[in-house]
Parts: sequence; C-alpha cells; structure tokens
Amino acid sequence: KAGVTQTPRYLIKTRGQQVTLSCSPISGHRSVSWYQQTPGQGLQFLFEYFSETQRNKGNFPGRFSGRQFSNSRSEMNVSTLELGDSALYLCASSSTGGVAGEQYFGPGTRLTVT
Amino acid sequence: GESVGLHLPTLSVQEGDNSIINCAYSNSASDYFIWYKQESGKGPQFIIDIRSNMDKRQGQRVTVLLNKTVKHLSLQIAATQPGDSAVYFCAEFVTGGGNKLTFGTGTQLKVEL
Repeated sequence: KAGVTQTPRYLIKTRGQQVTLSCSPISGHRSVSWYQQTPGQGLQFLFEYFSETQRNKGNFPGRFSGRQFSNSRSEMNVSTLELGDSALYLCASSSTGGVAGEQYFGPGTRLTVT
Repeated sequence: GESVGLHLPTLSVQEGDNSIINCAYSNSASDYFIWYKQESGKGPQFIIDIRSNMDKRQGQRVTVLLNKTVKHLSLQIAATQPGDSAVYFCAEFVTGGGNKLTFGTGTQLKVEL
C-alpha cells in the first residue's frame, strides 16, 4: 500500500509569512505525528493527532499549530515565519493508539525561510 | 528531563566489518527503544525496536542490546554493506504517552569500500 506522502516537498518562504504543510498517512492509520529536523536540534516532536484530536504536544511556540481531518490527513501551520524555522518537517503515521509500534515517516517537506 | 544522546557523531567502517552504534538515554519511564535509519533525502525508516523488559533482540543482520543499569543501548550491524551508509537514530517511547518519540542526535555511518 502507498506510504506516507507529504506536500509540498520543497518550499521557500519569507520571514513573517505563514505556511501550511500537508501529510497524508498510510491508509487505515489514525495517528499522525509531526517532527522538525534541523542540524542543530535534530529531530524534535511537534505534536500528534489521533482521530482528529491533538493528543500530544512538544515544546514549540504557539506559532506552530496543526489539525487532522476525518480522513486522517493532517496539516501543520506555521505563522509569522522566522529564519530559525528553516528545517525539514517530517510527519509519521501509525495505526496504533498510543502503544509502541512502528511509525512510518514520510519524505518530509524542506522549508527554507529567507 | 528527558534526553537521548548518541556517543559518536560519525562512524566509519570497512565493508564487511561489523558496526556498533551506541546511544544513551535518561528517561527511566521509557519502555520501548527504537532504531531508525535515515538516508539522504528520505524520512527515517524503522529498523528494529526493543521493549524495556528485554536485553537483546535480533533482526536481519541487526541486533539491539539494552542495558537498563547504565541506560545504554546499541545497534550492531553485521557484515556492513555500502547500502547501510546513512544516519542512525535511537529513539525512546513511553507507552500510554501517545505516539511521541524522543530522538537522539544521530550517528552518521560511513561504509568504506
């Protein structure tokens, strides 16, 4: 079956703008998590959605937000972009409801803020 | 607080040799530990996981060892191949805490021919 897809793959934005990234999980998966990957901070958890509800949130400012739709697709939004938001944004989907299991990652969206 | 760290940022091995990648963790509540492989331009790919009540688990060419006494885990790759060249991350997971993974900083494995 198809893997996790993320769109767009690459994005260039200017400081102060906002951006919306999209993630389509593997069919049947109800959990979608978002991570930010930077050379300096590594992979950091942003938030997780399960059945349209945010279940977990990492230590990121309120400029970072997300949502999940009834078909499990998820979007994350970053408002008032800063240079430091330049990163690879990864989403991962899982079929499990909070029990450890394999999480399948998408290829990521590379965001560059200028 | 929670932290997962890797001892070595870069590991170079000869093709055919065994590779050992190490990871330290600090959250005693973590009950699953997972190793991921990330190739350039791709998202992390699951390799193997281990429950906290185990000390060893084997997969195809990979073995994960867990030492809870010193909060350390390692990933052993047997007969390392050029296709194993990637960044390897360990991650920890707490059951019941949602699908939140806490990742280590990563180790770049380079396989020399």
